[in-house]
Amino acid sequence: DQQVKQNSPSLSVQEGRISILNCDYTNSMFDYFLWYKKYPAEGPTFLISISSIKDKNEDGRFTVFLNKSAKHLSLHIVPSQPGDSAVYFCAASGGSNYKLTFGKGTLLTVNP
Amino acid sequence: EAGVAQSPRYKIIEKRQSVAFWCNPISGHATLYWYQQILGQGPKLLIQFQNNGVVDDSQLPKDRFSAERLKGVDSTLKIQPAKLEDSAVYLCASSLSERSGNTIYFGEGSWLTVV
Repeated sequence: DQQVKQNSPSLSVQEGRISILNCDYTNSMFDYFLWYKKYPAEGPTFLISISSIKDKNEDGRFTVFLNKSAKHLSLHIVPSQPGDSAVYFCAASGGSNYKLTFGKGTLLTVNP
Repeated sequence: EAGVAQSPRYKIIEKRQSVAFWCNPISGHATLYWYQQILGQGPKLLIQFQNNGVVDDSQLPKDRFSAERLKGVDSTLKIQPAKLEDSAVYLCASSLSERSGNTIYFGEGSWLTVV
C-alpha cells in the first residue's frame, strides 16, 4: 500500500523551461511534506517543504504547491538548469510520530 | 557544520555473512533514523531513535537486523545473516527532534551488495 505516489518515473525538459514534478498521497493524517533531491552515489538532500496550513511555499527557483482536497502536491522549478538533473523524492509525515514516507522518485533530466 | 557521517560507503558480502554500518549524526540532533533504499524505490524507514530510545522499529526485520544507539549519539545497524534481497543503500539520517517540521538530513549512504 503506497501512501505517497510519484506516478512519473521520469521527466525531461529543456534548460530554461519549467519543470513540474507531481506527487499524490492517500493518508489524510499527513500534514508536512518535503521534497528531496538525490544525485547518483549521494544521499538525498533536502530541497523545500510545506506544512498543511499553507498551500504554497517558495524558495528561489523552487515552489511547492499543496492541494489538500485533492491530496496532491507539486514542485515547480523555474527556470530549469542542467544541474537540476537528479532524482526528486516527495516525502510526507504526520500523526504522532515524525517519520517520512517517501514516493519512488522522479528522474528529472534537464537538457542544455 | 558537519553533516551525517556514515561508513563504510561500500560493502560486498556473501549471503549468510554479517555486516555492520556505522552512523554519526549531526551534532545536537536527538533523532536518528535508518532507512533502506532498494534500487528504483524510495527510502523506507527501518528504525527511528529518539536519543537512545527506539521510537519506531515496526519495519525492521528483527530476525536478521538489529540497531543500537547506546549513548544517544552514534548508531550501528547490523545485518546477520544477510540475504540477497538485503542489497540496498542504507541511509542514516538525523533531525533536531522528533517534532514535525524539523528538517531531516541524510548521510551519503552505505551501499551493500549481497552475492
